[in-house]
Amino acid sequence: NAGVTQTPKFQVLKTGQSMTLQCAQDMNHNSMYWYRQDPGMGLRLIYYSASEGTTDKGEVPNGYNVSRLNKREFSLRLESAAPSQTSVYFCASSDSFRRSNTEAFFGQGTRLTVV
Amino acid sequence: AQTVTQSQPEMSVQEAETVTLSCTYDTSESDYYLFWYKQPPSRQMILVIRQEAYKQQNATENRFSVNFQKAAKSFSLKISDSQLGDAAMYFCAYRSARRSGYALNFGKGTSLLVTP
Repeated sequence: NAGVTQTPKFQVLKTGQSMTLQCAQDMNHNSMYWYRQDPGMGLRLIYYSASEGTTDKGEVPNGYNVSRLNKREFSLRLESAAPSQTSVYFCASSDSFRRSNTEAFFGQGTRLTVV
Repeated sequence: AQTVTQSQPEMSVQEAETVTLSCTYDTSESDYYLFWYKQPPSRQMILVIRQEAYKQQNATENRFSVNFQKAAKSFSLKISDSQLGDAAMYFCAYRSARRSGYALNFGKGTSLLVTP
């Protein structure tokens, strides 16, 4: 099982450039999430998709857009990258309708540097 | 929004000893889940243990156990017989059982150092 797959693993962007982080899960989960991790800040929620066809803002959505392409895929787009978006990005998924196995499963992360 | 607080940015333990990592949370909900995740230098997020709020019994997973105090909104992680491989960042996380999206809210983490 691949679980949650994120691409790319590393990326360097120039200020103002755009890019899309891709995420796919093969666990038939209904909910998917994008987090960013910064030193001393833990993981902060950027956007989430509770189910296919819906997306909502999390704690730190400014500068980002998302697309829930289908049940498997959830992409994160930076339209005009800024140095403040230098971070490690994690995609995660969960089966939020079940009472058991309620944890989120994470991808390996993308280290993004904006110069 | 629910707040998760980890008051210990760094902890240190000797191999084979026991260490307890603290976590408190703020919520008005009665139905929720709590988790501890481990993040080694590889960056991968690994689930260590989970606790359902409606269960009074504390969860255990081999050398890992929790002390869940619902009234005090406290959820500490005890690691027994610490091993070098336990060195990592540990995150406490809260998830509502009822709110849409059911996203995890994370604390800022505790960096655990294990010394030989």
